[in-house]
Amino acid sequence: GNSVTQMEGPVTLSEEAFLTINCTYTATGYPSLFWYVQYPGEGLQLLLKATKADDKGSNKGFEATYRKETTSFHLEKGSVQVSDSAVYFCALSAGAFWGGSEKLVFGKGTKLTVNP
Amino acid sequence: DAGVTQSPTHLIKTRGQQVTLRCSPKSGHDTVSWYQQALGQGPQFIFQYYEEEERQRGNFPDRFSGHQFPNYSSELNVNALLLGDSALYLCASSSVGLGNNEQFFGPGTRLTVL
Repeated sequence: GNSVTQMEGPVTLSEEAFLTINCTYTATGYPSLFWYVQYPGEGLQLLLKATKADDKGSNKGFEATYRKETTSFHLEKGSVQVSDSAVYFCALSAGAFWGGSEKLVFGKGTKLTVNP
Repeated sequence: DAGVTQSPTHLIKTRGQQVTLRCSPKSGHDTVSWYQQALGQGPQFIFQYYEEEERQRGNFPDRFSGHQFPNYSSELNVNALLLGDSALYLCASSSVGLGNNEQFFGPGTRLTVL
């Protein structure tokens, strides 16, 4: 079955440091890949996505590239801010057999804390 | 444009009781999925509804049931609550017509079972 493995946290960085959160996946077919962010006490927000190999998703300074050869979708940001402190989830989804959205399969999450 | 809404925000129940959680999808969306997020874990898929039918189901017991109404809103019911059912329950909506796999999440309902 489909699965996602992401870097265990927590990760603590200083403001303006470089961020990488590793994510690898196992899937049949050609899934779409996502990064979601969860701020304390809130639901999930889509951060970025990529739907096919070599696609790069980007948003708010975060980037991730869909690497089929290494089955990876690592999240990066060149300069983190205190406001980026949150839990980050890598997820995948394949098209459902009935034509709609397939379920999302999530990694366990990586908690990021950015100190001023 | 209202996003995905869920009610109630918080709920406290005792073991053995039953609970109903509600979700209204984002405007224009027709598919609702439910996820359970235990503390410190990633969300786990419970089931998905489209055209008032359950289309997919995750590895959850029959105590978990759902319903979708003609206006696309949905309910999640859990019977015979166990302590282990304490979690954040997330609703996500999407649209078959959009042809992508993007799901939008609500803020969740925090269920505590005592």
